[in-house]
Amino acid sequence: GNSVTQMEGPVTLSEEAFLTINCTYTATGYPSLFWYVQYPGEGLQLLLKATKADDKGSNKGFEATYRKETTSFHLEKGSVQVSDSAVYFCALSEGASYDKVIFGPGTSLSVIP
Amino acid sequence: NAGVTQTPKFQVLKTGQSMTLQCAQDMNHEYMSWYRQDPGMGLRLIHYSVGAGITDQGEVPNGYNVSRSTTEDFPLRLLSAAPSQTSVYFCASSYYERLNEQFFGPGTRLTVL
Repeated sequence: GNSVTQMEGPVTLSEEAFLTINCTYTATGYPSLFWYVQYPGEGLQLLLKATKADDKGSNKGFEATYRKETTSFHLEKGSVQVSDSAVYFCALSEGASYDKVIFGPGTSLSVIP
Repeated sequence: NAGVTQTPKFQVLKTGQSMTLQCAQDMNHEYMSWYRQDPGMGLRLIHYSVGAGITDQGEVPNGYNVSRSTTEDFPLRLLSAAPSQTSVYFCASSYYERLNEQFFGPGTRLTVL
């Protein structure tokens, strides 16, 4: 079945450091891929998405490229801020139904001044 | 717009008690869902609804009931709470044509003793 694997956290970085959070997926077809972010005490928010191979999603300085050959969708940011401290979830969707949306376990990021 | 609202924010129950978690959205979204979030396991779908009067089971439906009498409201009922239901519960909603771009509520943290 479909699945999403993320790098284990927590990840701790200094402000202005480069961020990479790895995400790989297993899917039978051609899924859409997403990154959601959960700030402390809040629900998840869609951060970015990509719907086909080689698409790059971007938002708030974050980027992720849909790599079909490596089944990956790694999240990157060139210079993190303290306000980026949150839990990041990689997700995939294959089909037009809620039960086809699969979330990864989440990666906690802490950015220290 | 208030978006997706959930009540209560926190709840402590004793084993065997019943309760209802409330969820409402004011965006006229057709789709609504309930997830539970447990450490290291990401989000798991409990139940979902594609419109008023229609509900379906997700990945982990046992011990929970839902109903959707209006477009706006989607309550989740715990019939006889068990310690295994200690979790954080999120309600989410989306438009039919943007199924995978879900809007999440702030969550309910439930502890069952």
